[in-house]
Amino acid sequence: AQKVTQAQTEISVVEKEDVTLDCVYETRDTTYYLFWYKQPPSGELVFLIRRNSFDEQNEISGRYSWNFQKSTSSFNFTITASQVVDSAVYFCALSEADNYGQNFVFGPGTRLSVLP
Amino acid sequence: NAGVTQTPKFRVLKTGQSMTLLCAQDMNHEYMYWYRQDPGMGLRLIHYSVGEGTTAKGEVPDGYNVSRLKKQNFLLGLESAAPSQTSVYFCASRRTSGDSGGEQYFGPGTRLTVT
Repeated sequence: AQKVTQAQTEISVVEKEDVTLDCVYETRDTTYYLFWYKQPPSGELVFLIRRNSFDEQNEISGRYSWNFQKSTSSFNFTITASQVVDSAVYFCALSEADNYGQNFVFGPGTRLSVLP
Repeated sequence: NAGVTQTPKFRVLKTGQSMTLLCAQDMNHEYMYWYRQDPGMGLRLIHYSVGEGTTAKGEVPDGYNVSRLKKQNFLLGLESAAPSQTSVYFCASRRTSGDSGGEQYFGPGTRLTVT
């Protein structure tokens, strides 16, 4: 069965610090997809990134970067020079292939607080 | 282009009452989903639909029913509400991409309280 673990329940940092959110997943499939979503205090879920299991290249988007390592089944998310607007709950999710996404499993989330 | 919308945004029910949550999407997506979000548990899939007229059970389907009579709408019904169904409900949709790798687009959520 697939599973997503986000061991950090809550993280607090001071503005401008770098912070890494951990995500560890379990799956028996060789083809799968990983996602990160952001849920700000307003409550909506915002898609951040998708990565498929065949693409282990790290990705950078502005202050955000993602480190995908199949060897450790991890898909970690780093925010560089954090800002107060980054305060949110961040969810990592896993979807296995060939199942229409019904096994789109979310981790429990990490609540990030960025203090001014 | 409104994306995914949900009606209502908030609702308070008494135990035993019934209600229907409406989800609508204007992106012509085939797949639609209903999740519930509870503190510390992430999102859990209640029911989903892979096309008009089809529905299937997710991880936590008990106490809920769904219908997908039109492609753009996905309804979630509670026939006899219980306090355990107090939660935030999210609807999502996803395009058909030939694989299951497409991201889901979420509605703004419905906060339901059952007293």
